[in-house]
Amino acid sequence: GIQVEQSPPDLILQEGANSTLRCNFSDSVNNLQWFHQNPWGQLINLFYIPSGTKQNGRLSATTVATERYSLLYISSSQTTDSGVYFCAVDPQGGSEKLVFGKGTKLTVNP
Amino acid sequence: SAVISQKPSRDICQRGTSLTIQCQVDSQVTMMFWYRQQPGQSLTLIATANQGSEATYESGFVIDKFPISRPNLTFSTLTVSNMSPEDSSIYLCSVEGFGASGAYEQYFGPGTRLTVT
Repeated sequence: GIQVEQSPPDLILQEGANSTLRCNFSDSVNNLQWFHQNPWGQLINLFYIPSGTKQNGRLSATTVATERYSLLYISSSQTTDSGVYFCAVDPQGGSEKLVFGKGTKLTVNP
Repeated sequence: SAVISQKPSRDICQRGTSLTIQCQVDSQVTMMFWYRQQPGQSLTLIATANQGSEATYESGFVIDKFPISRPNLTFSTLTVSNMSPEDSSIYLCSVEGFGASGAYEQYFGPGTRLTVT
């Protein structure tokens, strides 16, 4: 099956710093989503981005489908950005089932 | 988008017992998905539940351990049977909903945090 690898596994930042999270996937996908899991366990949709670039406030994402990777950019980080960021893909030929990477645990210190 | 609620939000159970988790969606959906997230780990799909048919289980998950019901297009239950401490996890329900992206995205419920002692 498809492999989804995220890096780095852990990231510690000072408030105000910028960061880039990466997601590599091993096969073509219909769908790619980025989620933020807050400390209470809730998964929050950040981006639906099978290709191209999107921006939402301090967050932006880029997916290069031909090269099978996606990047999530966080600018001017805040303590509320802490949590785990997951990349999840729906492989082509699949049935809307998402395959998750192992996540990047982000800690933003004040 | 889709608004999903789950009950209970958390529970502590004795080994050997069973717990049924409920998932309610605010709109009719064809497929509902159940995921498990073990402590410190990523999410793993347990099964896909379609209304009117038996759930489809992923490799490593069996109906006897995780029976699922899907009585209508807005509701599903997952039962964790004969629990052991290894079943301690967050269990999440998800559905597809039309998002702000202009495409169908998956949305997740708040999860049920289960601890088995």
